[in-house]
Amino acid sequence: DVKVTQSSRYLVKRTGEKVFLECVQDMDHENMFWYRQDPGLGLRLIYFSYDVKMKEKGDIPEGYSVSREKKERFSLILESASTNQTSMYLCASSSSSGANVLTFGAGSRLTVL
Amino acid sequence: GNSVTQMEGPVTLSEEAFLTINCTYTATGYPSLFWYVQYPGEGLQLLLKATKADDKGSNKGFEATYRKETTSFHLEKGSVQVSDSAVYFCALSAALYSSASKIIFGSGTRLSIRP
Repeated sequence: DVKVTQSSRYLVKRTGEKVFLECVQDMDHENMFWYRQDPGLGLRLIYFSYDVKMKEKGDIPEGYSVSREKKERFSLILESASTNQTSMYLCASSSSSGANVLTFGAGSRLTVL
Repeated sequence: GNSVTQMEGPVTLSEEAFLTINCTYTATGYPSLFWYVQYPGEGLQLLLKATKADDKGSNKGFEATYRKETTSFHLEKGSVQVSDSAVYFCALSAALYSSASKIIFGSGTRLSIRP
């Protein structure tokens, strides 16, 4: 069964901490995405990557950075976590030849105190 | 710009009722349209899609027709079950680069089905 795996389901961090959210896919997909999900706002795109070492800003990149050193892994980094980054973070991947269908991980719920 | 608007929830229905969740979109060009579903405690998964005007996507008894003239992609099911309780997201794809597309999501509609 194909998968997108997010390393942590639940995290609790303190304001100012550096936070790493890891995502791995086993489908050899070219494209990977990070979204955050908030009630009433749906999913908002933070960053995406369409190739190794390539990254592009989404709609809300402020306060975040990403890293894609290997095709299967896409990391989201919060350099200095703030309380307004408390959210559910969803990683997804897609094939460049797959009619833009996203496969999602189960999500990482981050709480920043 | 591109956007998706879907009916606000929560929607509460009795089992075997007819379901409609409205979705309209604004887009340049000819986007593909999707419905994703998120069951409790899980990530989103594709429910159905349509890639061009007048296409009908269907899966698990759900259907949606790509209506270009009304820029709509309403989700319907004739007889809902308790197991359909979930959050439903309408989405469209907007091409960015030749090898990647940006998927834009609506705000989601929470559906609860009473036994």
